[in-house]
Amino acid sequence: QVQLVQSGAEVKKPGASVKVSCTASGYTFTYNYMHWVRQAPGQGLEWMGWIYPNTGDTNYAQKFQGRVTMTRDTSISTAYMELSGLRSDDTAVYYCARLTAAIGSVENWGQGTLVTVSS
Amino acid sequence: DIVMTQTPLSSPVTLGQPASISCRSSQSLLHSDGDTYLSWLQQRPGQPPRLLIYKISKRFSGVPDRFSGSGAGTDFTLKISRVEAEDLGVYYCMQATQFPYTFGQGTNLEIK
Repeated sequence: QVQLVQSGAEVKKPGASVKVSCTASGYTFTYNYMHWVRQAPGQGLEWMGWIYPNTGDTNYAQKFQGRVTMTRDTSISTAYMELSGLRSDDTAVYYCARLTAAIGSVENWGQGTLVTVSS
Repeated sequence: DIVMTQTPLSSPVTLGQPASISCRSSQSLLHSDGDTYLSWLQQRPGQPPRLLIYKISKRFSGVPDRFSGSGAGTDFTLKISRVEAEDLGVYYCMQATQFPYTFGQGTNLEIK
């Protein structure tokens, strides 16, 4: 079955960067868009952007442009999301999520990675 | 950006009774390809979201038939015919018609 396994929790200081990984299995990694969504504590869901692993094409939400970089390593079926210039309001659970063209929605989610930004 | 507005934000329910959540978008979610990319997600405490309904009314694999979706254009509804204990949690509508994809604020389904 499809699995998305994310890296573990991180604690970062303001101004630092964090890189979260998402390793996929159970499907052809290269041919499904991988999205990243975050959720601040007690808050709703916020879309950050996507990467198409086959080509490396990316599309970022305007709010994160200039601070977020999504990459992938197809040899190990892993997507990465790096966020720089961290602030306290970047404290959130970050999810990777596989969207399939067949249903036009997110079929699978990673377990989430808590990133805490604190001095 | 398309704004998604859910009502109510909190819904106390009695087990075995129906429940309904509404979602309104600030513009039509009808895509140029003819599909409407409106989904409903369920999130239980401490867990990632789970897809329930896609393209307005299609139940995702494994989702019980007590969940149903309806609507068109800018107005959509999720209905649960008889709420069970496992249904408690937060429900989100989500649009994937136009980037950036956006979510409703969430509706907390809780026991009355």
